Amino acid sequence: NAGVTQTPKFRILKIGQSMTLQCTQDMNHNYMYWYRQDPGMGLKLIYYSVGAGITDKGEVPNGYNVSRSTTEDFPLRLELAAPSQTSVYFCASRLSASGELFFGEGSRLTVL
Amino acid sequence: ILNVEQSPQSLHVQEGDSTNFTCSFPSSNFYALHWYRWETAKSPEALFVMTLNGDEKKKGRISATLNTKEGYSYLYIKGSQPEDSATYLCAPSGNTGKLIFGQGTTLQVKP
Repeated sequence: NAGVTQTPKFRILKIGQSMTLQCTQDMNHNYMYWYRQDPGMGLKLIYYSVGAGITDKGEVPNGYNVSRSTTEDFPLRLELAAPSQTSVYFCASRLSASGELFFGEGSRLTVL
Repeated sequence: ILNVEQSPQSLHVQEGDSTNFTCSFPSSNFYALHWYRWETAKSPEALFVMTLNGDEKKKGRISATLNTKEGYSYLYIKGSQPEDSATYLCAPSGNTGKLIFGQGTTLQVKP
């Protein structure tokens, strides 16, 4: 099983560019999440989804958009990249509201 | 569930020492409490998911307890080893699916 797969692993963007971080899971999990790693602050929740067609904001949603058209995929879109969005992004999924999270390997994004 | 607090923020211990960390959270709307271990340059991995007041879970030298009435959980590491060096994250959750992490406790074990 592949688990949670994120692409790309690394990306450099110029200010104002847009891009999509892809996340797919093959475990038939209902719940999917996007987090960003802020130095000294641990993981901050950007958006999450409890099932196909349902998304909700987390702690730091500004500057990001998500969609959940299928159970497997949960892409994260940055519309106008800003230096403050330089971070490592983690996608995660779980089967139920009490289940453990399974994380992808992370995507390192640098905005210059 | 917001206002998750973990203490201490960082900890340096000698190999063989036992140690513990605290996760505090609002006790209202509690559904589950998660503990994760996060090594540098890797992804977080689940240690425990606890749901019942008084729950106690163990994995090797690591154990955790849960008090949902007063809103805290303790993580214990017995006989710390250098490979235990990592950041330990807790995340309490309600039943909405939202899962917010505390800022973590970073443990450094010196050989």
